[in-house]
Amino acid sequence: QITLKESGPTLVKPTQTLTLTCTFSGFSLSTSGVGVGWIRQPPGKALEWLALIYWDDDKRYSPSLKSRLTITKDTSKNQVVLTMTNMDPVDTATYYCAHRGGIHVFDYWGQGTLVTVSS
Amino acid sequence: QSALTQPASVSGSPGQSITISCTGTSSDVGGYNYVSWYQQHPGKAPKLMIYEVSNRPSGVSNRFSGSKSGNTASLTISGLQAEDEADYYCSSYTSSSTLGYVVFGGGTKLTVL
Repeated sequence: QITLKESGPTLVKPTQTLTLTCTFSGFSLSTSGVGVGWIRQPPGKALEWLALIYWDDDKRYSPSLKSRLTITKDTSKNQVVLTMTNMDPVDTATYYCAHRGGIHVFDYWGQGTLVTVSS
Repeated sequence: QSALTQPASVSGSPGQSITISCTGTSSDVGGYNYVSWYQQHPGKAPKLMIYEVSNRPSGVSNRFSGSKSGNTASLTISGLQAEDEADYYCSSYTSSSTLGYVVFGGGTKLTVL
């Protein structure tokens, strides 16, 4: 059974760096083909893909946010960490991590964590 | 503005069929068979309903089906049920260097009358 759960601060100030952790179970990020991605959703708005990390440490980023994002993995802890620098109120959103279940598809999602950016 | 275009809302009565469209370009929907559909109930995480245009994950009702023609993908829900009322998002792999790896549609709110 695959499960994922996001954790991190619920409130950050503008210009601060956000660090989110995705802790998962039911699969290993050392297994060929496996990946974990981050997707966010501002309140009342659409989903937006942010980043993806593969089992072989290959990484993909949204071009519009690439300069602000870093995704890393800790295989021994079954965790994936996303950092986003220079946070702005427009970054207020629910942030989800998800298991890459096939080619370009996310088949298992975490419950999401709402991050509010406000001074 | 999302990379893939979906209607903002659709509605139907119980038992009816509805179709939600998802229009992209030859760099995403039209160029690859990597279109997925997600269902999202209020306050919940998205749930994968269709992948690779027309494949259903285990456990998803066969009332949900997907197809594609040119740059437009479609999700059809037959035999509408009250529990189908939710937001639906399409996504696609994209080869566009300006969009990245995966793009989502703007979402469609399905109302079951």
